[in-house]
Amino acid sequence: LAKTTQPISMDSYEGQEVNITCSHNNIATNDYITWYQQFPSQGPRFIIQGYKTKVTNEVASLFIPADRKSSTLSLPRVSLSDTAVYYCLVGLGGYNNTDKLIFGTGTRLQVFP
Amino acid sequence: KAGVTQTPRYLIKTRGQQVTLSCSPISGHRSVSWYQQTPGQGLQFLFEYFSETQRNKGNFPGRFSGRQFSNSRSEMNVSTLELGDSALYLCASSFRDISYNEQFFGPGTRLTVL
Repeated sequence: LAKTTQPISMDSYEGQEVNITCSHNNIATNDYITWYQQFPSQGPRFIIQGYKTKVTNEVASLFIPADRKSSTLSLPRVSLSDTAVYYCLVGLGGYNNTDKLIFGTGTRLQVFP
Repeated sequence: KAGVTQTPRYLIKTRGQQVTLSCSPISGHRSVSWYQQTPGQGLQFLFEYFSETQRNKGNFPGRFSGRQFSNSRSEMNVSTLELGDSALYLCASSFRDISYNEQFFGPGTRLTVL
């Protein structure tokens, strides 16, 4: 099973770049890596997904090394509204796969003014 | 496009009772997953349904069950409630396989067991 490990918390200041790393040593060949953001009393919200190398969208970048045993979510120029919990999800995918999906422990990001 | 809806939003039950939670996915989405979120255990996967079939299951006791209807709406049932079942139950939908597609989460049902 692909267990994931993330830092419990991180602090940053507005305007800085934040990098959150997720470790997933047992990732399987057909697993994708997905990051979600969650605010209090809300369901998680999709940020970005990738399989290898680098993926970038309008809100974040995802860096995945060749061995895929870790991934790094990069948030450029964070603002106060980025204060949230960030989850790394490694999916044990494929139709009829009976393995379970593993969310990471989540990283609580606090952005200060 | 309407998002994922969950009913009820809040629920209070007593130990030993059973509860049924409902989830309506985004129109066109065929996969519905359920998660339990607690302060101590974080976000844990319960199960996933796709086209009325349970496709993935997490490590939860048999008291937790679910089903999906032909219109993709899903229900989750917890029987013989325990205090430890108090949690936020989240439902998520996706168009296809949840491992390859982003999941859209609902606001959750806050269950309190007294």
